Amino acid sequence: AQSVTQLGSHVSVSEGALVLLRCNYSSSVPPYLFWYVQYPNQGLQLLLKYTSAATLVKGINGFEAEFKKSETSFHLTKPSAHMSDAAEYFCAVSSSGGYQKVTFGTGTKLQVIP
Amino acid sequence: DADVTQTPRNRITKTGKRIMLECSQTKGHDRMYWYRQDPGLGLRLIYYSFDVKDINKGEISDGYSVSRQAQAKFSLSLESAIPNQTALYFCALMATVSQFTYEQYFGPGTRLTVT
Repeated sequence: AQSVTQLGSHVSVSEGALVLLRCNYSSSVPPYLFWYVQYPNQGLQLLLKYTSAATLVKGINGFEAEFKKSETSFHLTKPSAHMSDAAEYFCAVSSSGGYQKVTFGTGTKLQVIP
Repeated sequence: DADVTQTPRNRITKTGKRIMLECSQTKGHDRMYWYRQDPGLGLRLIYYSFDVKDINKGEISDGYSVSRQAQAKFSLSLESAIPNQTALYFCALMATVSQFTYEQYFGPGTRLTVT
């Protein structure tokens, strides 16, 4: 079984401040982990993914995430928020080894305050 | 992503009606998925298909059926629509990037309202 928990359904940050979106996972096998972004009235776009290589993963738009096995976490960060980062962010987990069913978290809406 | 198309993009239907949502892809990937998105619940898997003859139920398949007419087409049907099936529906496919790496690509979504 696999699952993800996203802490905080809404997060507000000031423009220029650090963005931290939290994700904890549960998986009985080594996981693949993903972060997706959804802008208003759009589909989901892959931000970054962890697939058992480097634990610090860099994605698009200046985002990065660190896989911490001991904490079962995969938090998403960005050093300086831009207004254009306002969106909903989803963490997702999939089991490695070829079984490709992805389980999504409930999402975190990021608000960026000018 | 233009590789995955969904029709219709918006649909309003009445309770009890049968409705089909269509998904097609241009890249020849085997694995296709249907999700629904509800506010505060994230995306939940309805059905998935690993090839034309391999169709599997997801976590919320009750009230839905699917058809994989060809590798490129995966349709979702609501046999008798009910209001709590009002949601945003996404089709997705899984692309193999390398031997042990893959990525999921989503269509633009279909907003379905059942009155």
